[in-house]
Amino acid sequence: DTEVTQTPKHLVMGMTNKKSLKCEQHMGHRAMYWYKQKAKKPPELMFVYSYEKLSINESVPSRFSPECPNSSLLNLHLHALQPEDSALYLCASSQLQTSGVIGTQYFGPGTRLTVL
Amino acid sequence: GENVEQHPSTLSVQEGDSAVIKCTYSDSASNYFPWYKQELGKGPQLIIDIRSNVGEKKDQRIAVTLNKTAKHFSLHITETQPEDSAVYFCAASSPDTDKLIFGTGTRLQVFP
Repeated sequence: DTEVTQTPKHLVMGMTNKKSLKCEQHMGHRAMYWYKQKAKKPPELMFVYSYEKLSINESVPSRFSPECPNSSLLNLHLHALQPEDSALYLCASSQLQTSGVIGTQYFGPGTRLTVL
Repeated sequence: GENVEQHPSTLSVQEGDSAVIKCTYSDSASNYFPWYKQELGKGPQLIIDIRSNVGEKKDQRIAVTLNKTAKHFSLHITETQPEDSAVYFCAASSPDTDKLIFGTGTRLQVFP
């Protein structure tokens, strides 16, 4: 089973709202990722967690706050977003690197976020 | 850092024909090259990947070739079917990083 689940599928929020995106995997992967994808563009890395610790933050604005409560769950907390933050937010997971080679990443279906 | 270029940006083929998508990368140390298929409204789905210690990998109608000297890799789809229509992304990863660098994507349309 290579399934990564994400909730909700769609989210509409105002610029003053606080919301959270959730991601879950049960493949025993110890690396989890958040990506942002705008229309007709490739996924853009935001954050990487390894062993539930933040290992990469790609200079993402602080209005995006990731959290990894345990090895199966990954959250992305949203606050005071801007309309330009509207995008598809993708979660992925993988095994940790082996002999310097990145693990294969499996993506969830994404959350379509619209900021009004 | 790594940079990945992908061509063509759009590709239209007749059902049953072959399709080829090409990517080039800049970091000669890159050692992992996956291909993802993304259908409308869905997340990217891994379809095949190759590591730098092999030159070719095949899975039914899909194959990937890697030329490390020229720093390019290609996706080959044979006997295309309408359900192959999607956006395809190549990616590359350098050693000891947790980052995938994606190409810009190819929209493949297979006409019946």
